[in-house]
Amino acid sequence: GQQVMQIPQYQHVQEGEDFTTYCNSSTTLSNIQWYKQRPGGHPVFLIQLVKSGEVKKQKRLTFQFGEAKKNSSLHITATQTTDVGTYFCAGGSNYKLTFGKGTLLTVNP
Amino acid sequence: DAGVTQSPTHLIKTRGQHVTLRCSPISGHKSVSWYQQVLGQGPQFIFQYYEKEERGRGNFPDRFSARQFPNYSSELNVNALLLGDSALYLCASSTGQGDGYTFGSGTRLTVV
Repeated sequence: GQQVMQIPQYQHVQEGEDFTTYCNSSTTLSNIQWYKQRPGGHPVFLIQLVKSGEVKKQKRLTFQFGEAKKNSSLHITATQTTDVGTYFCAGGSNYKLTFGKGTLLTVNP
Repeated sequence: DAGVTQSPTHLIKTRGQHVTLRCSPISGHKSVSWYQQVLGQGPQFIFQYYEKEERGRGNFPDRFSARQFPNYSSELNVNALLLGDSALYLCASSTGQGDGYTFGSGTRLTVV
């Protein structure tokens, strides 16, 4: 079945530094979604990418979908302490999401 | 507008027992999905229901079952609980048209 891998597993940064997490799928994805989960919380939807090569921005967050629709990345510019949490990518199909294991981001103020 | 509500928030059960978890989707959302999340892992797909029909099922044993009611709320049932069923059970609602999911706060199930 479809597998979604994310790297790195953990990332610790100083406040103000940039952060990137990468997502790779074993199969071509129809779409990819990104979620953020704060410690002790639940996943919160950030964005969905559908088109090959698509790039979307949300303030300091930039999301990319690879040309082959098998990989994606999330880049945060100038991290803040409010960015702390686990970032998950999830490959979407007609009826389910296949999540990666996530990247836990911690930010030192 | 209320978000996705799940009940109970926490539950402790003994091995071999049965559990029922409940979920109310966002008003207007016709699709409800269930996910299991163990510590340190991403959520794992269990079921999706759309318009009261099962749309998909993940790789979980038959001890897991679910249903969706006419008001689009849903129940997840787990029989013959095992220690390994201890996890956060997340319900997610969506329009069912391929958009993002809104997750509830989850039910933390502990099996002892």
